[in-house]
Amino acid sequence: SQQGEEDPQALSIQEGENATMNCSYKTSINNLQWYRQNSGRGLVHLILIRSNEREKHSGRLRVTLDTSKKSSSLLITASRAADTASYFCATAFGSGGGADGLTFGKGTHLIIQP
Amino acid sequence: SAVISQKPSRDICQRGTSLTIQCQVDSQVTMMFWYRQQPGQSLTLIATANQGSEATYESGFVIDKFPISRPNLTFSTLTVSNMSPEDSSIYLCSVARQTGSYGYTFGSGTRLTVV
Repeated sequence: SQQGEEDPQALSIQEGENATMNCSYKTSINNLQWYRQNSGRGLVHLILIRSNEREKHSGRLRVTLDTSKKSSSLLITASRAADTASYFCATAFGSGGGADGLTFGKGTHLIIQP
Repeated sequence: SAVISQKPSRDICQRGTSLTIQCQVDSQVTMMFWYRQQPGQSLTLIATANQGSEATYESGFVIDKFPISRPNLTFSTLTVSNMSPEDSSIYLCSVARQTGSYGYTFGSGTRLTVV
């Protein structure tokens, strides 16, 4: 079964607005990652936050992690039409040594209206 | 980080036939991962392929249906056998970037339609 639950499942906002997506998970994790998928193609890694981190920034992206609530959020500021995509959170259970597959959340489909 | 070449990018196949998907990585990697993404759904891990040993399959996936080869540290194949329309999905391969602590790189996916 899927580890993560994401909400909202779909989000439509105006260009320039901020978009926030949430992810919850069920078990202990080593890290939590966010990916973007355009039109059902390959996934692009956006950002990784480790279990001992609470917040991380990368450009217009801000990720938070609350391990006590087993939840994470992805904020995209000043959205652009090119941000239209599906966004997935994913968790890794192992030591982070690259030997573990990921468990994905259900994803949020983000539409940026021009 | 690694670059993955995955092919074919898409295919339409007759039920009962098999399709082999290939992933070539531009650097040596220990583990390669195969995922399935059913229409409108998220990704589900099929199996982990380690060079020199049998692939490890997740619950609900079996070797007879999804045989995997890993002949060397830069290449892997996934075969979808005896296909039915329910196998219509996007199949993706993936490798860890460096140690995995920097995320994973994915192939561009194979969109399979079974008719």
